[in-house]
Amino acid sequence: GQQLNQSPQSMFIQEGEDVSMNCTSSSIFNTWLWYKQDPGEGPVLLIALYKAGELTSNGRLTAQFGITRKDSFLNISASIPSDVGIYFCAGQETYNNNDMRFGAGTRLTVKP
Amino acid sequence: KAGVTQTPRYLIKTRGQQVTLSCSPISGHRSVSWYQQTPGQGLQFLFEYFSETQRNKGNFPGRFSGRQFSNSRSEMNVSTLELGDSALYLCASSLGRERGKLFFGSGTQLSVL
Repeated sequence: GQQLNQSPQSMFIQEGEDVSMNCTSSSIFNTWLWYKQDPGEGPVLLIALYKAGELTSNGRLTAQFGITRKDSFLNISASIPSDVGIYFCAGQETYNNNDMRFGAGTRLTVKP
Repeated sequence: KAGVTQTPRYLIKTRGQQVTLSCSPISGHRSVSWYQQTPGQGLQFLFEYFSETQRNKGNFPGRFSGRQFSNSRSEMNVSTLELGDSALYLCASSLGRERGKLFFGSGTQLSVL
């Protein structure tokens, strides 16, 4: 099973609104990442975080690596219809391997 | 640069059969990881290969196996298929140096009847 708790499970928002989702873990992670998955496709990396407290932006997306190293959040500002999809957080305890654990995902729906 | 290519895209098998899935990573990527995605369990790590060696393995039964070739292409095999093996199988490649930065293929949708 998964070690990450991602919330909310789903969100229905109006175009132009800001979105916030977060992820918590029971263990300390050395890496936090956020991916987006469109229907019929594999996840696409949005943001990668490697240090506690790190705040990184990618266009309208901003993610932070929590100080406790057990949480991360993703914000999307001024949402647009193409933001629709499933957003996954992912975390990794080790430094060398790609054995990431994924959250259950947040399904985002944006109403025009 | 071509992305990660997975074949076949769709597969239908019956219980007890075995299946082999193929993954061609991005050129220059030496690490290939495999994930199983189901609505109930989400994305779960199967294993990772780096330079033809299995570097890490998730919590899956021995029916799930894989290998990597010298050109970094990877195959995943599932023997004695069970109904619960129906899932989207995703392959992801990375350079191996940038921690966690995975590039996923579109997946192989496996249905076991």
